[in-house]
Amino acid sequence: GAGVSQSPSNKVTEKGKDVELRCDPISGHTALYWYRQRLGQGLEFLIYFQGNSAPDKSGLPSDRFSAERTGESVSTLTIQRTQQEDSAVYLCASSHDLNKGELFFGEGSRLTVL
Amino acid sequence: QKEVEQDPGPLSVPEGAIVSLNCTYSNSAFQYFMWYRQYSRKGPELLMYTYSSGNKEDGRFTAQVDKSSKYISLFIRDSQPSDSATYLCAMRDYGGSQGNLIFGKGTKLSVKP
Repeated sequence: GAGVSQSPSNKVTEKGKDVELRCDPISGHTALYWYRQRLGQGLEFLIYFQGNSAPDKSGLPSDRFSAERTGESVSTLTIQRTQQEDSAVYLCASSHDLNKGELFFGEGSRLTVL
Repeated sequence: QKEVEQDPGPLSVPEGAIVSLNCTYSNSAFQYFMWYRQYSRKGPELLMYTYSSGNKEDGRFTAQVDKSSKYISLFIRDSQPSDSATYLCAMRDYGGSQGNLIFGKGTKLSVKP
């Protein structure tokens, strides 16, 4: 596709369940990011992948959160044993030229934990 | 003190008004400054990108950076209803992880016809 694709667009789950969110970046973009956006808040950095380098996981809030990326393609963000405070929009972005500072964002996956 | 402060608004202006959006920051290492626009239920999109202090103009939009005051602004001239969105400032330093953009909370703008 032409843009960053995320799925599911909406996910409602029960507290304690695991969820998996998927991001399909723009083809050829070596950098991929996950951000979390709580209601009325800014974007909170979670994790960053750049090519085959070790990911920067410094933003992951707890060990319940993990992410993987296969090469320069699809990434999955997994949240284990979800809590109500995990409710947020999870945004994925990709980039091919960090010097220009341009991240291309998907429309996000809206997670609601009941 | 948060690294990036941005007034969340909401800000409501009549069509045609000049809009001024601002962010302050505390980390003097920040070198790259961006403004993103986010429409409701959409992902943010890059509007402006600046590196040095001074002004950068693109159509009706002007980005201004004052590193000495740690203050950045986005001006929108002749505002239109289609400019109604949340505007997020973002910045990062030169030496840190290139993935770690620090975003403001965003200012919600409404332009009334």
